Amino acid sequence: AQSVTQLGSHVSVSEGALVLLRCNYSSSVPPYLFWYVQYPNQGLQLLLKYTSAATLVKGINGFEAEFKKSETSFHLTKPSAHMSDAAEYFCAVSPFSGGYNKLIFGAGTRLAVHP
Amino acid sequence: DTGVSQNPRHKITKRGQNVTFRCDPISEHNRLYWYRQTLGQGPEFLTYFQNEAQLEKSRLLSDRFSAERPKGSFSTLEIQRTEQGDSAMYLCASSSLPRGQANYNEQFFGPGTRLTVL
Repeated sequence: AQSVTQLGSHVSVSEGALVLLRCNYSSSVPPYLFWYVQYPNQGLQLLLKYTSAATLVKGINGFEAEFKKSETSFHLTKPSAHMSDAAEYFCAVSPFSGGYNKLIFGAGTRLAVHP
Repeated sequence: DTGVSQNPRHKITKRGQNVTFRCDPISEHNRLYWYRQTLGQGPEFLTYFQNEAQLEKSRLLSDRFSAERPKGSFSTLEIQRTEQGDSAMYLCASSSLPRGQANYNEQFFGPGTRLTVL
């Protein structure tokens, strides 16, 4: 069975500092991996996805993630945090079974950005 | 607005009552998913439709839950005899079928329906 573990339920950074949100996955087959962001009272928005092409994936809002098979990791980074990045971030894996793509999410990491 | 819409946005009900939520996917999206998100957790998969066919149901979907997607357009999720443990955010997502050699298409999420069972 596939699963995702997000290390750290809360991360706090200063504005302008590096953002690093950790995600490790478990999968018996090459996975599809995703990062979603959720702002208060809103649905989930896709930040970026890995679908077995380039291992360094660039997403929206300056975020990027690197797929490392040897470490089974897909950590999310952003060089310089902005106040508007404060939100909850979810890492997800897709088992791609049966010809469709249900998502299996981690528990989420709440990012706080302080001045 | 051409995104996924969900109604109502909030629902407060008493234990034992039935509730029904509606999801309107993006037009022409064949695939529709329901997820449930409890406080402090990530969304959990509930069920999946391709057009009007319900192709997978999670073990989380007890007998009190039923989902439909008549005519392959909007979908409803009904919970009968609600329990306090049903309190959660219910999220709907839709996607189109992949084309060509692609085998993944992005799921677009609605804003969710927050259910509170008293």
